Amino acid sequence: SAVISQKPSRDICQRGTSLTIQCQVDSQVTMMFWYRQQPGQSLTLIATANQGSEATYESGFVIDKFPISRPNLTFSTLTVSNMSPEDSSIYLCSVITGPNQPQHFGDGTRLSIL
Amino acid sequence: SQQGEEDPQALSIQEGENATMNCSYKTSINNLQWYRQNSGRGLVHLILIRSNEREKHSGRLRVTLDTSKKSSSLLITASRAADTASYFCATDARGGGSNYKLTFGKGTLLTVNP
Repeated sequence: SAVISQKPSRDICQRGTSLTIQCQVDSQVTMMFWYRQQPGQSLTLIATANQGSEATYESGFVIDKFPISRPNLTFSTLTVSNMSPEDSSIYLCSVITGPNQPQHFGDGTRLSIL
Repeated sequence: SQQGEEDPQALSIQEGENATMNCSYKTSINNLQWYRQNSGRGLVHLILIRSNEREKHSGRLRVTLDTSKKSSSLLITASRAADTASYFCATDARGGGSNYKLTFGKGTLLTVNP
């Protein structure tokens, strides 16, 4: 399975600042996704990172708040903009190589906003 | 959107006992996947079962799928303290435009006592 490196693993940020999370895969993958896991909750899909074009966002998530880039088939970034304490969550990237294949996840970025 | 539901929400057992977790979902699926998450870290993929499969095994894990009841179960046999974690099911919905997006259940917190 693909090896996924996610950076940073954790961060503590000030209110109003922005943080960019990186996701690097060791092989080309078909799809990359970004999920959020709020404290004590399950995972919610933020968006699908599309290679070379704008990401596809799920209901409740907007590009201005969560800009995403995917310049190639192995790398993507998620920025959490103008952070507030409500953004304190674990953010995870995931990848899939094809239909009916396992979707694998990075180790996540644990983000705390003061 | 469909939402998986696991039960029980929490399960506490003794080492050596079997643990069974259940998952229900609402719409037709391509596949269902089970994941483990230790202490708010990344998700570890356990098993993927396709919609045309009824049972799958991997080591001490056994997964069943009943598409008529829209439900799945994960059985961990001869549990160990190291199995203590949260377990999530996730479904990949059938139908055009799903693009392999996963919808996660709320999870079961399994505690295995030594």
